Amino acid sequence: IAGITQAPTSQILAAGRRMTLRCTQDMRHNAMYWYRQDLGLGLRLIHYSNTAGTTGKGEVPDGYSVSRANTDDFPLTLASAVPSQTSVYFCASSPGQGGQETQYFGPGTRLLVL
Amino acid sequence: GQNIDQPTEMTATEGAIVQINCTYQTSGFNGLFWYQQHAGEAPTFLSYNVLDGLEEKGRFSSFLSRSKGYSYLLLKELQMKDSASYLCAVRDSNYQLIWGAGTKLIIKP
Repeated sequence: IAGITQAPTSQILAAGRRMTLRCTQDMRHNAMYWYRQDLGLGLRLIHYSNTAGTTGKGEVPDGYSVSRANTDDFPLTLASAVPSQTSVYFCASSPGQGGQETQYFGPGTRLLVL
Repeated sequence: GQNIDQPTEMTATEGAIVQINCTYQTSGFNGLFWYQQHAGEAPTFLSYNVLDGLEEKGRFSSFLSRSKGYSYLLLKELQMKDSASYLCAVRDSNYQLIWGAGTKLIIKP
């Protein structure tokens, strides 16, 4: 593994189903983030984690949950998917959350909810 | 509210110079980032500004004026591979990144 990986690459999901998007990084970064990207809008923060064992809500957290049991993994769960959650989801990480800390992005998961 | 404004789309010619502007209104300021995103790919880091002035990195330069809430990304000697979206993001008082919608840059031969 080099950098950040996400799985699955893409998914078609029936509304009402539960889905977990996986994110793993091997850079030993403390901070991790989940964003969604929709056409015409900027990246919007869903949830974040400044360090293992802690999580926080971003701009659009409703309908999503996260956990951070260890440094490397930061899964995002949709408890009951709705069509408005159709989007491209990016996981990112950074060494910390201050100063010049750059965020590094995974390749994304393209989710279609029908 | 917090707001980042960028032009939606720009077109330029191979070999030329293009300037992509970004204006922002955020709760606090802890730095401004520019990222490049090719279609269907993840954003990748280009530049970071926290003090006023110009930061140069090869063909790319980024400028910041904190008093005006303004930044620009300058791309010189444009190449076809520079066709991409360019995202402006500001780190706010909570140290979270607020993102603009991005500027799609089309390079013509």
